[in-house]
Amino acid sequence: DGGITQSPKYLFRKEGQNVTLSCEQNLNHDAMYWYRQDPGQGLRLIYYSQIVNDFQKGDIAEGYSVSREKKESFPLTVTSAQKNPTAFYLCASSMASGGVRADTQYFGPGTRLTVL
Amino acid sequence: AQSVTQLGSHVSVSEGALVLLRCNYSSSVPPYLFWYVQYPNQGLQLLLKYTTGATLVKGINGFEAEFKKSETSFHLTKPSAHMSDAAEYFCAVRGPSSGSARQLTFGSGTQLTVLP
Repeated sequence: DGGITQSPKYLFRKEGQNVTLSCEQNLNHDAMYWYRQDPGQGLRLIYYSQIVNDFQKGDIAEGYSVSREKKESFPLTVTSAQKNPTAFYLCASSMASGGVRADTQYFGPGTRLTVL
Repeated sequence: AQSVTQLGSHVSVSEGALVLLRCNYSSSVPPYLFWYVQYPNQGLQLLLKYTTGATLVKGINGFEAEFKKSETSFHLTKPSAHMSDAAEYFCAVRGPSSGSARQLTFGSGTQLTVLP
């Protein structure tokens, strides 16, 4: 079945540690995204990537880093510089990154990160 | 710049009653509009979307939404609520600019409770 997988589902981190969240898709989508979700705040865009080896900062990129070495993978690293990392993290992907058509974003099941 | 306002962070309805979730947007260009649903500890699932054409859009699970440009609204409705509709609902807007990333701006969400 095609889709987006995120791992792990739950992640615990000590203060001062970096952690990496995995996101893999087999939908052959060009674009991938990372969102952070906090209660009552909806989703906020952290980073996005339109093609391999290219990515752009979203609205809240500070304290996060990403890479896009393969089309199907877009891992997110939460660094120790992120002051309040406890949140639910969602990865998404969509089709063609150019043109004027609206492209539906498909979401993974999410990773819940808790800083101890 | 674009923004989304969802009126009512919590909405309760009785089983079998009408569901109405409100969404207003602001956008400097004709928008593309989306409704997503999220069940606890899961990713987002697309309910329906408006791009161009017919302003009344039908989605999955019996939901529909009407794009009203004069009111800058895209309210979500369902004639008869089921217990399984209890979830959080997000409205999102995207400007149809070509060559740019498919960035969505999300509302803060509405938690729907269905009472027996």
